[in-house]
Amino acid sequence: SQQGEEDPQALSIQEGENATMNCSYKTSINNLQWYRQNSGRGLVHLILIRSNEREKHSGRLRVTLDTSKKSSSLLITASRAADTASYFCATVYSGNTPLVFGKGTRLSVIA
Amino acid sequence: DGGITQSPKYLFRKEGQNVTLSCEQNLNHDAMYWYRQDPGQGLRLIYYSQIVNDFQKGDIAEGYSVSREKKESFPLTVTSAQKNPTAFYLCASSIEWEHQPQHFGDGTRLSIL
Repeated sequence: SQQGEEDPQALSIQEGENATMNCSYKTSINNLQWYRQNSGRGLVHLILIRSNEREKHSGRLRVTLDTSKKSSSLLITASRAADTASYFCATVYSGNTPLVFGKGTRLSVIA
Repeated sequence: DGGITQSPKYLFRKEGQNVTLSCEQNLNHDAMYWYRQDPGQGLRLIYYSQIVNDFQKGDIAEGYSVSREKKESFPLTVTSAQKNPTAFYLCASSIEWEHQPQHFGDGTRLSIL
């Protein structure tokens, strides 16, 4: 399987703290995407980073990509209770292949 | 507002019964996808369609069937051959096939009676 892996599987932090989630993948990618899923809902696309990019920002989100280590990280700064959700990385591998999702990190932000 | 609508939200299947999950999008997207999500797991691809009148099997297509007769519609049938259908089913679409972010519906939860 080419499925990526998120780390940690679960993360619990206090409101106002930063949350960092990591994603590792297996072979060359075209781009890597991060999604959020609130309980019982569909996924929402957060950010896309291309293989030739090293860092992207969107509001309180910061994503980095290290293609030499085949890994990416998602940083959520100044977390809020509303950030409580599962976060998934998804990779687009080189070639005409579908998006591959990891198993996700469950983030709990305690008020 | 543009988006993806999945119906019903909850569905129950009896033994030996086929059931169909609806997915409609008004985003004018070419590509559509069906995923299965089990508790605490990621998404596994069932079927995908790059363009109308065309679709391909994903990683877990056995026991499922789809059609793509209209650009905006991509229904999924869970057949009686799928012995463990209890799961959360998610439909998604993207502007085009290659490399694009996907937009998701809010899912259908299927259970066995």
